[in-house]
Amino acid sequence: AQSVTQLGSHVSVSEGALVLLRCNYSSSVPPYLFWYVQYPNQGLQLLLKYTSAATLVKGINGFEAEFKKSETSFHLTKPSAHMSDAAEYFCAVSDNTGNQFYFGTGTSLTVIP
Amino acid sequence: GAGVSQSPSNKVTEKGKDVELRCDPISGHTALYWYRQRLGQGLEFLIYFQGNSAPDKSGLPSDRFSAERTGESVSTLTIQRTQQEDSAVYLCASSLAGQPQETQYFGPGTRLLVL
Repeated sequence: AQSVTQLGSHVSVSEGALVLLRCNYSSSVPPYLFWYVQYPNQGLQLLLKYTSAATLVKGINGFEAEFKKSETSFHLTKPSAHMSDAAEYFCAVSDNTGNQFYFGTGTSLTVIP
Repeated sequence: GAGVSQSPSNKVTEKGKDVELRCDPISGHTALYWYRQRLGQGLEFLIYFQGNSAPDKSGLPSDRFSAERTGESVSTLTIQRTQQEDSAVYLCASSLAGQPQETQYFGPGTRLLVL
């Protein structure tokens, strides 16, 4: 069975600093990996996803993530944090059938002015 | 176009009562998912529909939980004899065909509070 671990339930960065949100997965088969974002008072929306094409995936709002099979990781990064990036971020993995998705516990990002 | 909608947005009920939560997916999406999000926790997968069928109901927490989908559209999640531990945000999502690499589109959720 798949699972997802997000290290750090709360991350604070200064405006303009690097954002790094960690995600590790366990999967017995090549996974499909996702990052979703939930802005305050809004529903979850897709940030980016890895579907076995390029290992470096670019998403919306300047975010990107790199799939590293050797490390079973899919960390999310952004070179320069903006105040509007403050949100809850969820990493997710799907099985190879589409019948189940496994979400991490989420990381709350705070951006300090 | 319209996104995924859920109703009610908030529900307060007394322990032991039954509740019904509704999800309207994006038109044309054949796959529909229900999740539960307890306070401070991640999303817990509950059930998945492909069309009107749910291939696997093992994610439902107990036999008090049931779900159905009709017309390959609206889905309802019913919780019977609610307990305080059922308090959570219940999220619904839909995707075009239910393939594992597809994006899921989430509704705003129903916040359930069991007193």
